[in-house]
Amino acid sequence: DAMVIQNPRYQVTQFGKPVTLSCSQTLNHNVMYWYQQKSSQAPKLLFHYYDKDFNNEADTPDNFQSRRPNTSFCFLDIRSPGLGDAAMYLCATSREWSGQETQYFGPGTRLLVL
Amino acid sequence: GEDVEQSLFLSVREGDSSVINCTYTDSSSTYLYWYKQEPGAGLQLLTYIFSNMDMKQDQRLTVLLNKKDKHLSLRIADTQTGDSAIYFCARRGFSGGYNKLIFGAGTRLAVHP
Repeated sequence: DAMVIQNPRYQVTQFGKPVTLSCSQTLNHNVMYWYQQKSSQAPKLLFHYYDKDFNNEADTPDNFQSRRPNTSFCFLDIRSPGLGDAAMYLCATSREWSGQETQYFGPGTRLLVL
Repeated sequence: GEDVEQSLFLSVREGDSSVINCTYTDSSSTYLYWYKQEPGAGLQLLTYIFSNMDMKQDQRLTVLLNKKDKHLSLRIADTQTGDSAIYFCARRGFSGGYNKLIFGAGTRLAVHP
């Protein structure tokens, strides 16, 4: 029944050690998003894919990259995690871009950087 | 100030109504949303309102939009313990040629007996 799946739910990494977070969807949606949510803060959009078209937010650090090898999967790569990158990472999907389209969120991956 | 602002905490008694408030700065926002986040879970869309509407009701939920004051509220009638969660207000913005959601920091609703 799960529509947007994120693995793992909890990820511990070391300072500077690359880490990859995974998101998959069973909805066949065109758009996939990655958000960063720090404690007691609003979710902040990092980037999104419309199909294979990648769109980076202007203030997303270069340390964050993403891959979408097919419609179902999208990955968030953090090349050299710093302590400030510890957060909940939320993946979401939507069918299209229009204002009425619902974004469906996964449960998130909580990243801890030691 | 922040683009979308919410009070951080609200405590209500079970059975009472809850009113969660939100203000935003961009009057061109076309859609405004309320999302719910339960502990350890992702965000769940509760309801949304289009900017040409003043009110929208969906079962126990009532959304009020005051465009003049750029104020959005979510009223939950007969609040239950299962309503305890963080509620996020969001508006649809436009950036770099694409639509995106801009969230407030969330209001933590605590429901007590």
